[in-house]
Amino acid sequence: DGGITQSPKYLFRKEGQNVTLSCEQNLNHDAMYWYRQDPGQGLRLIYYSQIVNDFQKGDIAEGYSVSREKKESFPLTVTSAQKNPTAFYLCASSIGLETQYFGPGTRLLVL
Amino acid sequence: DAKTTQPPSMDCAEGRAANLPCNHSTISGNEYVYWYRQIHSQGPQYIIHGLKNNETNEMASLIITEDRKSSTLILPHATLRDTAVYYCIVRVLRAGSYQLTFGKGTKLSVIP
Repeated sequence: DGGITQSPKYLFRKEGQNVTLSCEQNLNHDAMYWYRQDPGQGLRLIYYSQIVNDFQKGDIAEGYSVSREKKESFPLTVTSAQKNPTAFYLCASSIGLETQYFGPGTRLLVL
Repeated sequence: DAKTTQPPSMDCAEGRAANLPCNHSTISGNEYVYWYRQIHSQGPQYIIHGLKNNETNEMASLIITEDRKSSTLILPHATLRDTAVYYCIVRVLRAGSYQLTFGKGTKLSVIP
């Protein structure tokens, strides 16, 4: 089945720890995106990548980092510099600049 | 960026048509209107999009007014599984990429 997978479904972070969220797609999409969603709110763009080895900051990139070494993968690292990391993280992908399709999300909680 | 205004919540009886309105009075001529929905604790699901003509697919219909300042998403026969938050989004070109700006959406409750 083609689609976007995110893992893990739930992730716990300790104070001062970096954690990495996985996003993989087998749709052969060029572009990939990371969004953050807080309770009762809409999604906010963290980072996006239109092509391998290239990515741009979104509206709330501080405290996050990404890499795009393969077309299929766009991992997001939540660093210790992100002081309020508890949120629902969503990955999306698209063919070029067309419709974005979303994964099931990862819920990050701070211990 | 074009912004959208949606009612925070709506109810719809099961089997009836659900009509979800959206205002986007500052939309530019080449900006598309997109609709997504999000069922609790899941990723948003793409529903439909359009520029100026009305659109229909297997999930819904999208009616865009002639002046493009507002649109309506129609779910023709709502079921309990259509209970979700529905987002109306104007897709804007920014820094070389089309970006989606999600507001708070409309929480649709389908009632038995």
